[in-house]
Amino acid sequence: DAKTTQPNSMESNEEEPVHLPCNHSTISGTDYIHWYRQLPSQGPEYVIHGLTSNVNNRMASLAIAEDRKSSTLILHRATLRDAAVYYCITKTSYDKVIFGPGTSLSVIP
Amino acid sequence: NAGVTQTPKFQVLKTGQSMTLQCAQDMNHNSMYWYRQDPGMGLRLIYYSASEGTTDKGEVPNGYNVSRLNKREFSLRLESAAPSQTSVYFCASSDYQSGDEKLFFGSGTQLSVL
Repeated sequence: DAKTTQPNSMESNEEEPVHLPCNHSTISGTDYIHWYRQLPSQGPEYVIHGLTSNVNNRMASLAIAEDRKSSTLILHRATLRDAAVYYCITKTSYDKVIFGPGTSLSVIP
Repeated sequence: NAGVTQTPKFQVLKTGQSMTLQCAQDMNHNSMYWYRQDPGMGLRLIYYSASEGTTDKGEVPNGYNVSRLNKREFSLRLESAAPSQTSVYFCASSDYQSGDEKLFFGSGTQLSVL
């Protein structure tokens, strides 16, 4: 079973920030938090990952709660091209990588 | 840089037929994975290979076999296809099977079993 829970769907207006939440209450100390997204008819692509500290890259920011039981993927200005299914997973060494159903993000022009 | 390449992109089988889905990566990655995605659903892990010469079952291994042919290639075989195996199949790879390593995915194989 997936070790994370996410809302099934979210909506955002174009050019506004989007905060996608993820709960991972059973996370262990060695689990990294990864986010991937899947555009329509494509394979998933990596977005961002982190362990304890907040992370930024050109695509997004990842805010990790102090107790690490939840995290938030932040898209600073949503565009129509950001409409996708976003997956939050936890990943550790020598263990299966299990995906949940993810959050389907719709971006409204 | 091709990344993860899957062949074929589309396939239609009749119930009971067999086939092999091919996956190759050119990133010198040690770990490879096979997932299936049913319509409107998330990804489910079928099998994975932490390193060359090793394979392990994932969440839904029944009806499938895998071969880690060499470091580059990881194939998925359906010995006797069933309609329940109609799905999109994704292959992925990562440098190592560690928490800090990103997964890289192929573009998928859409399989229909009639």
